[in-house]
Amino acid sequence: KNEVEQSPQNLTAQEGEFITINCSYSVGISALHWLQQHPGGGIVSLFMLSSGKKKHGRLIATINIQEKHSSLHITASHPRDSAVYICAVKNREETSGSRLTFGEGTQLTVNP
Amino acid sequence: DSGVTQTPKHLITATGQRVTLRCSPRSGDLSVYWYQQSLDQGLQFLIQYYNGEERAKGNILERFSAQQFPDLHSELNLSSLELGDSALYFCASSVGGQNEQYFGPGTRLTVT
Repeated sequence: KNEVEQSPQNLTAQEGEFITINCSYSVGISALHWLQQHPGGGIVSLFMLSSGKKKHGRLIATINIQEKHSSLHITASHPRDSAVYICAVKNREETSGSRLTFGEGTQLTVNP
Repeated sequence: DSGVTQTPKHLITATGQRVTLRCSPRSGDLSVYWYQQSLDQGLQFLIQYYNGEERAKGNILERFSAQQFPDLHSELNLSSLELGDSALYFCASSVGGQNEQYFGPGTRLTVT
């Protein structure tokens, strides 16, 4: 079992729909990252969070440390949101460095 | 634009060869990370440097080595290349080890 599991693997939505991508992890963490990878390959950091909730524009990320679970929500989805969304965690036990362990990603396609 | 630069963007080379990938972090960032993204393995952490010193090591092969120079740029050296080394190699940087990471555009390595 991977340390970081994402669901779903693939997601197709219509423009305007509310989207949720889930991430579950099995280790104690000090931080969780949500990344966006565009079709061209570039990676953008969306959020880094260790508790609660963060919002940026139409994107909302939440984390429940007790449940070892995080969600990424996209409100009013748009075709330009089509990308791979990747969850990554920093293990709390790792004190000397900042190694990230990645989920396999969720391929999101938003149709007009 | 994250402020992290990587060169070259694309590299095509033959098996057995040696290549050097270069990364310049964002101004002010002391930490540099290297990641490998291959089709079958997803994103994997290779190595982290902080202010010139190795801070964390991941699944980096012995044929690979890296360093961070006094001006904080970093190089990843890949030698005795094999077909399986074909991948996207990303560099990321952060202010310290506990901060958000900013990714470069990546170097696409093709080994033929």
